Order: sequence, then structure tokens, then C-alpha cells
Amino acid sequence: DIQMTQSPSSLSASVGDRVAITCRASQGIGIYLAWFQQKPGKAPKSLIYAASSLQSGVPSKFSGSGSGTDFTLTISDLQPEDFATYYCQHYHSYPLTFGGGTKVEIK
Amino acid sequence: EVQLVESGGGLVQPGGSLRLSCAASGFTFSDHYMDWVRQAPGKGLEWIGRTRNKADHYTTEYAASVKGRFTVSRDNSKNSLFLQMNSLKTEDTAVYYCAKTLRFELHSYIDYWGQGTLVTVSS
Repeated sequence: DIQMTQSPSSLSASVGDRVAITCRASQGIGIYLAWFQQKPGKAPKSLIYAASSLQSGVPSKFSGSGSGTDFTLTISDLQPEDFATYYCQHYHSYPLTFGGGTKVEIK
Repeated sequence: EVQLVESGGGLVQPGGSLRLSCAASGFTFSDHYMDWVRQAPGKGLEWIGRTRNKADHYTTEYAASVKGRFTVSRDNSKNSLFLQMNSLKTEDTAVYYCAKTLRFELHSYIDYWGQGTLVTVSS
């Protein structure tokens, strides 16, 4: 199975900051990586697919990059509504697996 | 507008069974692979199963943690996805989400999620 490792597991940032979350796959997955946002008590929301393509309706402050084993989600100009937990997931092969999540908190 | 509405969650004893449903609307259900993902209380997301679309003969895939105990199925005439859960364990306690996927090249990724239904396995 492909293991997905996210770092950091949590971070504190201020409104207006730019933050980066990394996701590493235990073997190459091409660009078959998605990112999701989840707020407390809510269902996840899809943000990015194919490592860098924005889902419809997702603001351009979210961006993704990477290929192979190393990926990054960058969030620019953090706003109160961006404070949430973010997950990566590969969909290269079965079983699909998620990273452990990164909680973005207000400093 | 895509909508996915899960139902069927509740309290069940260890060793028992439960069947979850997901009512889909706003898209051509039979064209899409569909997933089940769960989240134990305070934990991360875990993909547990998938059913492929009509073109790929509705075949299924499972995570090792549920293989042999859970079955994903679909009724395209009713735009519904199901998760039959047997031999339930306390560690199956979680919110269960159904998710719609989209095809990209030869791979399918999640683009929409339902709101989830809570399953509690306890005596």
C-alpha cells in the first residue's frame, strides 16, 4: 500500500499569512493526488485534483504543486474561513489512502 | 446541483449488521465511480470502498480493514449507493461519507461528498 505522510500535523498562522502543507507518498504516484478541506463537524470539501488543478468554485488562493512523491498545498492570504484541517489523498492505485491531516489554526 | 444524502446510520452491537444508503441526484449516477469514506471520532479520513461505473461493469474495490465484511453496491434505477456492513466491530464506529468521483485520465478522484451518517458499534 502507498503511505501518505503530511507535514506538519498542525500549524498556527495569522490572518493574511501564506502557508504551505506538504504531502509525501511512499512511492511515485504521478500527479494522482487530491487535496480536501474539512471544518469541524462538517463533511470534507474537494479543493484540488491532479496535484494542481482547482475544483470548480475553489478560489485561486489555493494552489497545489508537485509530482511523483512530493506535493505541496499552498494557501495565500489566510482568512478566518480557511482555518480548518486539510487532507491529501492519492488515487493512483488501490487501496486509495489519505494523509493524516494538517490542522491550520489561528495564531 | 449535485446532492448526496446518506442514511441508515445508528447504534448496532458488535457482530451485528447495518446497511447504509446514499441517495444521489444532480448527475448521471450510472456514469460515475462512487466511493465510501469513513472518519472515526477525532481521527482522519479512511477510504473504505468503491464501485465502478456501468462501463467498467460496476466492479468493486475495498480497503483491507473491511474486505470480506463490507459490500458496496448500487441501484442505478434508483440513483442509490449502498454499503452493507456485516460482522461489525467497535473500531468501525465512524461517520460514513459517500462520495462521487470524476474521471481524470485512467484514474478517478472525489469531487463531491455527502454530509455523512454516524455508525456507532457498541454493546
